[in-house]
Amino acid sequence: RKEVEQDPGPFNVPEGATVAFNCTYSNSASQSFFWYRQDCRKEPKLLMSVYSSGNEDGRFTAQLNRASQYISLLIRDSKLSDSATYLCVVNPYSSASKIIFGSGTRLSIRP
Amino acid sequence: GAGVSQSPSNKVTEKGKDVELRCDPISGHTALYWYRQSLGQGLEFLIYFQGNSAPDKSGLPSDRFSAERTGGSVSTLTIQRTQQEDSAVYLCASSQGGASVETQYFGPGTRLLVL
Repeated sequence: RKEVEQDPGPFNVPEGATVAFNCTYSNSASQSFFWYRQDCRKEPKLLMSVYSSGNEDGRFTAQLNRASQYISLLIRDSKLSDSATYLCVVNPYSSASKIIFGSGTRLSIRP
Repeated sequence: GAGVSQSPSNKVTEKGKDVELRCDPISGHTALYWYRQSLGQGLEFLIYFQGNSAPDKSGLPSDRFSAERTGGSVSTLTIQRTQQEDSAVYLCASSQGGASVETQYFGPGTRLLVL
């Protein structure tokens, strides 16, 4: 089993729709979690951190479910510019250690 | 401020040649990562440096791959006797490291094409 798993997609949704995708992780001791965004032929960039209490940034909501060991990303009122690959990132331990990237979920927003 | 920089941005080489890829992390960042990304694929971890600790080389795909980090700053990824399957984008990232939450900052990558 991969340490971090994501549905590769692609998710193809109309503009204005709400879309959500999950990411599961295998190490229950994982401490910190992130969502990164990667545009085509560009480097990944941090979208948002995921806190235990969940967090929201505009149209984006990230949640953590420790019991089931997954994190989620919800995008409301999707825009064409949201089309990208969304990467789930897990830091297994609290001390400095190797961050693990999921393979990404491709999202395509159509007009 | 200055972000992570990588050079060259593009590299075309012939099979069997050696290549060196360079990464300049953000000043003060103690953690540095190298990843490889093939077209349409996810990030493949290669190697991780954290301060003065021994690097985590568990992701290096073969002994043709090696990396150094001199003075805790600049890093060089070397691929010897390149093969066509080495063609990919090589991404470097740095972070503050330590016990704090690690946000990684990526460089623009080096696109390597082995003919």
